[in-house]
Amino acid sequence: QITLKESGPTLVKPTQTLTLTCTFSGFSLSTSGVGVGWIRQPPGKALEWLALIYWDDDKRYSPSLKSRLTITKDTSKNQVVLTMTNMDPVDTATYYCAHFPPNAYDGDYWGQGTLVTVSS
Amino acid sequence: QSALAQPASVSGSPGQSITISCTGTSSDVGGYNYVSWYQQHPGKAPKLMIYEVSNRPSGVPDRFSGSKSGNTASLTISGLQAEDEADYYCSSYTSSNTPLVVFGGGTKLTVL
Repeated sequence: QITLKESGPTLVKPTQTLTLTCTFSGFSLSTSGVGVGWIRQPPGKALEWLALIYWDDDKRYSPSLKSRLTITKDTSKNQVVLTMTNMDPVDTATYYCAHFPPNAYDGDYWGQGTLVTVSS
Repeated sequence: QSALAQPASVSGSPGQSITISCTGTSSDVGGYNYVSWYQQHPGKAPKLMIYEVSNRPSGVPDRFSGSKSGNTASLTISGLQAEDEADYYCSSYTSSNTPLVVFGGGTKLTVL
């Protein structure tokens, strides 16, 4: 059974760096083709794709946020970490991580999400 | 502004059928068979309902079906049930300047 869970701060100040961790079980990020992605959703708004890391460490980023995002993986710990620099109140959102199966571009398993509020 | 265009809202009565459209370009919806649909209930994570245009994951009722014509994909829900009331999002692989995946703006389905 595949499960994912996001963890990190619930409140960050403007200009600070956000670090979120996705801890997963039921699959290995060393399996060919598998990926883990991050998606966010501001309150009352649509989903926004942020970044994805593949089993072979290939990384993809949203162009509009690429300069602020870094995605890494620790295969031994079954974790994927997303960092976002220079946080702004508009970055207030629920952040989700999701499992992407081989040769696919859909998240078939999602974490419960974690709400991050950016406020001074 | 989302990359894929969806109607803001649709509605239907129990037992009826509804269709939600998702319009993109030849660089995403029209160019690849990697269109997905997600259902999201309030306060919950999205749930994958359709992948690769028309495939249903295990456990998704066959009342849910997907299709595509040109640059527009569609999600059809037949035999509407009260529990189908939710937000629905489409997504697609895109080859245009990355990102890898683009989402639609979401459609609120109301079961009358």
